Amino acid sequence: HVQLVESGGGLVKPGGSLRLSCAASGFTFSDYYMSWIRQTPGKGLASVAYISVSGTTIYYADSVQGRFTISRDNAENSLYLQMNSLRAEDTAVYYCARGGMIPVWGQGTLVTVSS
Amino acid sequence: DIQMTQSPSSVSASVGDRITITCRASQGINSWLTWYQQRPGKAPEVLIYAASDLQTGVPSRFSGSGSGTDFTLTISSLQPEDFATYFCQQSNSFPVTFGGGTKVE
Repeated sequence: HVQLVESGGGLVKPGGSLRLSCAASGFTFSDYYMSWIRQTPGKGLASVAYISVSGTTIYYADSVQGRFTISRDNAENSLYLQMNSLRAEDTAVYYCARGGMIPVWGQGTLVTVSS
Repeated sequence: DIQMTQSPSSVSASVGDRITITCRASQGINSWLTWYQQRPGKAPEVLIYAASDLQTGVPSRFSGSGSGTDFTLTISSLQPEDFATYFCQQSNSFPVTFGGGTKVE
């Protein structure tokens, strides 16, 4: 059963940090590019970061460039998102997503940035 | 970035209605188009991938068509469980981008 399970969300103050994790199972993790996508009521769905199979190609949305870092551990079937210098506008549900012809999404983890 | 323009943003419908939702890409995306259904508080679920392929387990009343820049999701006979929000996503080039969503109510 193909599954992605996110963890690490929560409430953090502006300027703080969080590390999101995504545990993959049911497929060969090292065969797929992976992404973090976030959803807010006002701005809908948006790509946050992408990482290639080997981790050598990485993309960040302009809004998170320099603050967020995506990484993966193919041996542990895990994807990560280190989020620093968080802002109120980073408040969203964050989804881990598998690329390829048939996308797979996790259930999401809520990140709330508020004082 | 490729812009995805989805319409309508909402549609008022009844059980048994035929519903058509469209997505237009700002440039050609071949068939790298996925349609999702999202219920409140839940993650998006894949309905259609590669523009027209039905995801396993999805009822056959859902269908997708199109290639290049213009795509359509059709629900042939709306069922009570279909009242939800629908999104399109292009994955032809990065960053993947999404339509604004269509709420079926």
